[in-house]
Amino acid sequence: AQTVTQSQPEMSVQEAETVTLSCTYDTSENNYYLFWYKQPPSRQMILVIRQEAYKQQNATENRFSVNFQKAAKSFSLKISDSQLGDTAMYFCAFISYNNNDMRFGAGTRLTVKP
Amino acid sequence: DGGITQSPKYLFRKEGQNVTLSCEQNLNHDAMYWYRQDPGQGLRLIYYSQIVNDFQKGDIAEGYSVSREKKESFPLTVTSAQKNPTAFYLCASSPGPGLSNQPQHFGDGTRLSIL
Repeated sequence: AQTVTQSQPEMSVQEAETVTLSCTYDTSENNYYLFWYKQPPSRQMILVIRQEAYKQQNATENRFSVNFQKAAKSFSLKISDSQLGDTAMYFCAFISYNNNDMRFGAGTRLTVKP
Repeated sequence: DGGITQSPKYLFRKEGQNVTLSCEQNLNHDAMYWYRQDPGQGLRLIYYSQIVNDFQKGDIAEGYSVSREKKESFPLTVTSAQKNPTAFYLCASSPGPGLSNQPQHFGDGTRLSIL
């Protein structure tokens, strides 16, 4: 079974600074997708960014970008120009191309300080 | 607007009682999921269903049961066999097999507590 590891339980960053959240995963599959979700205090799960494993180009969504290293099975999230509204739990998730069994990491609690 | 509706938002269970959490979606998605989230932790998969009348156990299925009689509905029953049911439960859906690049859509969750 696939596993997803987020090694940073908590992180903080000053407003307007840049922060990187780490995620590694373990799989024997070659075709899969990776996601970052944000869960603010409201507990809604909000999709931040997605990456297809067959694409070498790193995904970017406004202030959010990823560093996808397929060989190293690493999928980090970079948040630029951090805003107070970015304060939330961030979850890394993996799903195989062949099924719908999505796996989540344990999460990183990010606090953006004014 | 299409989405996922979970009810109730808060639920209390007495000792020895079974309770059922509702999850309805109008997104025409084939796949539906139930996750459990404990304080400060990630999501753990309880059950998922890829099509009607079919479902698979996730990592922590013991003490839970599900049904998928309709595409739109995927209720979760927390049985008396689940000794530590206090948690936040999230339901999700996605388009289905072969469309794994589509993200899961989540409901707003149900918080279950023991009386």
